[in-house]
Amino acid sequence: RKEVEQDPGPFNVPEGATVAFNCTYSNSASQSFFWYRQDCRKEPKLLMSVYSSGNEDGRFTAQLNRASQYISLLIRDSKLSDSATYLCVVNMDSNDYKLSFGAGTTVTVRA
Amino acid sequence: DAGITQSPRHKVTETGTPVTLRCHQTENHRYMYWYRQDPGHGLRLIHYSYGVKDTDKGEVSDGYSVSRSKTEDFLLTLESATSSQTSVYFCAIRTTGGNTEAFFGQGTRLTVV
Repeated sequence: RKEVEQDPGPFNVPEGATVAFNCTYSNSASQSFFWYRQDCRKEPKLLMSVYSSGNEDGRFTAQLNRASQYISLLIRDSKLSDSATYLCVVNMDSNDYKLSFGAGTTVTVRA
Repeated sequence: DAGITQSPRHKVTETGTPVTLRCHQTENHRYMYWYRQDPGHGLRLIHYSYGVKDTDKGEVSDGYSVSRSKTEDFLLTLESATSSQTSVYFCAIRTTGGNTEAFFGQGTRLTVV
């Protein structure tokens, strides 16, 4: 079983729609969680960290469910510029600075 | 911008030749990483470093070696390149304290023919 698993999509949504997707992780002791965004042929860039209480950054909302071992990302009022691959990233151990990456969820927003 | 520069950005090399990729950072971060990214696999850790001369293997380290003789530079060497090492290579640094987020270089696109 992979340490971090994501639905690869693609999620094709119209502008203005809401899109949400999850990521599951295998290690219940995982400490830190992040969502990264990656545009085609570019480096991953941090979108947001995911906190236990859930957090929001503009149109983006991230949630953590420790009991079921998943994190989620919701994008409201989708823009064309939101089209990208979203990577789920998990730090399995607070004493270990290695990160585990999901393979990514592709979102395409159409006009 | 976390001050990370990768070189070269693109390289085509022949099977069996040695190749060295360079990652340079300007902000004195302790932790540096080399990843490769291939379709369907996401980013996979090759090697990482937690200080000068301190390195460790990641999940796909076979065929790769690294060196870190000074804080700002982390070198990845393919001793004898193979076609399976055709990939996009990303260097990353990780901040310490707080959320320990990772920041990436722009990537090196390596083709082994």
